[in-house]
Amino acid sequence: GAGVSQSPSNKVTEKGKDVELRCDPISGHTALYWYRQSLGQGLEFLIYFQGNSAPDKSGLPSDRFSAERTGGSVSTLTIQRTQQEDSAVYLCASSPRPSGGYQETQYFGPGTRLLVL
Amino acid sequence: GDSVTQMEGPVTLSEEAFLTINCTYTATGYPSLFWYVQYPGEGLQLLLKATKADDKGSNKGFEATYRKETTSFHLEKGSVQVSDSAVYFCALKNFGNEKLTFGTGTRLTIIP
Repeated sequence: GAGVSQSPSNKVTEKGKDVELRCDPISGHTALYWYRQSLGQGLEFLIYFQGNSAPDKSGLPSDRFSAERTGGSVSTLTIQRTQQEDSAVYLCASSPRPSGGYQETQYFGPGTRLLVL
Repeated sequence: GDSVTQMEGPVTLSEEAFLTINCTYTATGYPSLFWYVQYPGEGLQLLLKATKADDKGSNKGFEATYRKETTSFHLEKGSVQVSDSAVYFCALKNFGNEKLTFGTGTRLTIIP
């Protein structure tokens, strides 16, 4: 079946502009995650959704970052007033349900590569 | 907080060599441990996992054993192939916490 998809695959923007990144999780997966992969910081957790609510936003680096999820499916990560340090690959993952415990695997999308000039 | 320390790369090996990539962790409680792999141009894929002490995860000839006494989860393969060239990430997930905490990744290159 289809995996996690993300769009766009690449985005180049100018400093100060807003960007929206989209994630389509695997159908039926209720848990959705955003991570960021950058040269200086490695792979960092940003935010977790269960359904349409976000119980854990602890990884969002500043109030310029926000995310929403609608219909328990598609999620959008928005970065306002982008800065050069926002350049990174933004990864989305989904899992069938939150594990709380240990068993659920997170399935990752191919990522959106963001470059802020 | 939780953290994962992973062997610095890059690592270059000849085909059929033995591979070890070291991973140690710091965490409260009893986390689950994972190895993810990122092949060139592809997304992260789960390679193997272990959920409790002394468990061994295995897949595609790779193995890793959850060692609580040494807080380690080293990745091993007896005979690597060119197709194993990728970036390998060690990660943990703690009970009651949904996020994965990753190591910095180790780039592995296998030469024929």
